[in-house]
Amino acid sequence: GNSVTQMEGPVTLSEEAFLTINCTYTATGYPSLFWYVQYPGEGLQLLLKATKADDKGSNKGFEATYRKETTSFHLEKGSVQVSDSAVYFCALMGTGGFKTIFGAGTRLFVKA
Amino acid sequence: GAVVSQHPSRVICKSGTSVKIECRSLDFQATTMFWYRQFPKKSLMLMATSNEGSKATYEQGVEKDKFLINHASLTLSTLTVTSAHPEDSSFYICSATARGGGALNEQYFGPGTRLTVT
Repeated sequence: GNSVTQMEGPVTLSEEAFLTINCTYTATGYPSLFWYVQYPGEGLQLLLKATKADDKGSNKGFEATYRKETTSFHLEKGSVQVSDSAVYFCALMGTGGFKTIFGAGTRLFVKA
Repeated sequence: GAVVSQHPSRVICKSGTSVKIECRSLDFQATTMFWYRQFPKKSLMLMATSNEGSKATYEQGVEKDKFLINHASLTLSTLTVTSAHPEDSSFYICSATARGGGALNEQYFGPGTRLTVT
């Protein structure tokens, strides 16, 4: 079945550091891939998405590229801010249905 | 963008009572709604999928008699936790997919409801 594996956290960075959160997936066909962010005490917000191979999703300085050859969708940001502290979830939605599979989440702490 | 609301945002109830959580799509028609449960510092666990006008499809291990889901209209789904117990305390999140259009593949999430059973 479909699955998502993302790097375990927590990840602690200083402000303006470069961020990478790894995400790999297993799926049949051509799933859509997503990154969601959850700020403390809040629900999930869609951060970015990519629906086909080689697509790059981007939002708020975050980027992720859909790599079918490596089945990866790593999240990157060139310069993190304290306000980026949150839990980040990688997710996929398989073809033929709307069920979304989430990774375990990676907690990011950014220090001033 | 598409907005999904949940009510209440927080609820505390006594053990043995039932609690109803509402999930509404505010500016779009949601053909399918999903209910998730999130344990502390864990990922989301899909509980059930509901389509408007039909019975919900529950994931394996989720008690359908305990977690009653009703999707009576294209903008409202409810989750009722019956005879709640402390182990039901959790963060419940709903999401919805829009009918047709470019957003077909995207889920819109509600802000979540924190249930505490005492």
